[in-house]
Amino acid sequence: NAGVMQNPRHLVRRRGQEARLRCSPMKGHSHVYWYRQLPEEGLKFMVYLQKENIIDESGMPKERFSAEFPKEGPSILRIQQVVRGDSAAYFCASSPQQTYGYTFGSGTRLTVV
Amino acid sequence: DQQVKQNSPSLSVQEGRISILNCDYTNSMFDYFLWYKKYPAEGPTFLISISSIKDKNEDGRFTVFLNKSAKHLSLHIVPSQPGDSAVYFCAATLITTSGTYKYIFGTGTRLKVLA
Repeated sequence: NAGVMQNPRHLVRRRGQEARLRCSPMKGHSHVYWYRQLPEEGLKFMVYLQKENIIDESGMPKERFSAEFPKEGPSILRIQQVVRGDSAAYFCASSPQQTYGYTFGSGTRLTVV
Repeated sequence: DQQVKQNSPSLSVQEGRISILNCDYTNSMFDYFLWYKKYPAEGPTFLISISSIKDKNEDGRFTVFLNKSAKHLSLHIVPSQPGDSAVYFCAATLITTSGTYKYIFGTGTRLKVLA
């Protein structure tokens, strides 16, 4: 009964490269949420997706960031042309429906050098 | 605009004593509140929640109190144990104009329970 799986756990990218973060929700969960935690800050909502649909992307930066949750496979958060300010921990959570009490993954720590 | 605030970045408590973690919010439209606990290098784990129609919810050593008039939430842990040492986030939920729920998190309080 695996929880929310995120990979990689750690990702190092040079400025200008692309970062792809993957999230496999818990079995039976069709709702996925991405959050970002910058150093010394709380978790900030980025995007909420259901299978093949972006429901709420109000927390996503307007440029360079995109997310998808295809019919098959994990949800992907993509950051193009990364900059140092993108260095953060990115957490994915899933739920069986849009109710309270998501289950979070262990996060991907992105470091841009 | 930080709608959910945890003004104490850290707290140290002796083992066996009570830990009280505080959270203030500004939006009266929040309808549900949650506490999450986070260990280093792990994701947040759900701890306890409370609906806005209640003022107290208890689960073992953990009790959450809600004071709607003061827009204040607190988590009491008693007795505190060294394994409780972690960062605690409070979160509030909001229904957006599109009908979806959104979690707004505070910045966290690092609790250290001293043996």
